[in-house]
Formats: sequence, structure tokens, C-alpha cells
Amino acid sequence: SQQGEEDPQALSIQEGENATMNCSYKTSINNLQWYRQNSGRGLVHLILIRSNEREKHSGRLRVTLDTSKKSSSLLITASRAADTASYFCATEPYYNQGGKLIFGQGTELSVKP
Amino acid sequence: EADIYQTPRYLVIGTGKKITLECSQTMGHDKMYWYQQDPGMELHLIHYSYGVNSTEKGDLSSESTVSRIRTEHFPLTLESARPSHTSQYLCASRRRGNTEAFFGQGTRLTVV
Repeated sequence: SQQGEEDPQALSIQEGENATMNCSYKTSINNLQWYRQNSGRGLVHLILIRSNEREKHSGRLRVTLDTSKKSSSLLITASRAADTASYFCATEPYYNQGGKLIFGQGTELSVKP
Repeated sequence: EADIYQTPRYLVIGTGKKITLECSQTMGHDKMYWYQQDPGMELHLIHYSYGVNSTEKGDLSSESTVSRIRTEHFPLTLESARPSHTSQYLCASRRRGNTEAFFGQGTRLTVV
């Protein structure tokens, strides 16, 4: 992968359960972002965490960032069938002033009703 | 609602043809990006721009070219399309700083 590796590649859970996805990256970053994609359409931004932040919440989403391990996790609590989608992390490398934004390979989440 | 548009949404074209995929945004964003994505696969950055008259190649080698003559417009051109170019192409834009990217709906290109 270019910068980020995500695991698992696929996750299947029951409605109401929590879903956790992990992202690892290789270089120092300015920020790390999580996106969602439905059925190969355009991506939708979920949450951004800066390199000096350790945890962030937005509704049912919780993101953590560990810069010493170069890793992040996305937790979706009380999942719903509508959460079924692919989830991607993206990083903006610290060394690049042009605002390069590099995506991981994604986690395919399936939430069964 | 994201104000970034890609045209066409779907395109089937013969080998050897020249094509231009259009991407426009009305948000005044400095940074724009082109990604290539095969079904169920990761996004590969092929080009990006951090402002007018700036273009940079991404991490995936691509035979396409881009231009950024106006802030709102970032077209991608393939001089001679080949079947290996069959893929989905996603355009995105964002403001400077620690900001989110907005994506267009994508262009699904098939070269026959």
C-alpha cells in the first residue's frame, strides 16, 4: 500500500454490535482522516484528527490516533444496516507541502439486520 | 452538499481515442486531486494540484496528464486510451490546512 494499511479488509457484524477498523501508516503526518464509500461512489468525509490529538468523537464514531505506533482506529458504536459501506483512512504526509492525501486499502463493513 | 462535479459519469470509448475527464468545484478550494480506483480496491493518487499552474504526479504512475489553469477546473486527459485504463476515476478538492476533502461522484471509464 502507498501509505496506509487497514485491517481487517472485511468485517461482518450484526446490527447493534460495535465495529472497529484499524489503520497503520508509514511516515509522519499532519492529520489522519476517515472516509466512507457506498457502492463505488464518491467518498464522504467522516472525521479528521490532527497529529497532536489522541481521540475524537462524532456521534457514534470514535477515532483514536497513536503517532508513536503510526496507527489509528475507527470505532462505530451500535451499528446499523445503513452503516454497510467501505471505510478508508487517509493521511496527509508531514513532509509534503502540497497537501498530498494518501488513502489506505479500505475495510469493507457489512452490518446484517 | 459537496459542490464538486465530474463529467461524464460513465464513458465507453475505443482504444486509441483521446479523452478528457472533467472535474469542477465551486468552493474555491486550492487543492485538487485525481484518484484511480478499481472495484473494491484502494484509491491510488495519480495527480494533484495545490493551486493554479501547479500540478504534481501522485504515487501511481499514470499515462494521463492534468492541467490547472483556473482554480475551479482540473481536467484529466488521456491522449491514447487503452483497455488497461479501464477504471473509476475520482476527483476531490479541499482547502488549505487540516481540512476534509470533498469528492465528486466519479467517472467510470471503459476502454474497449
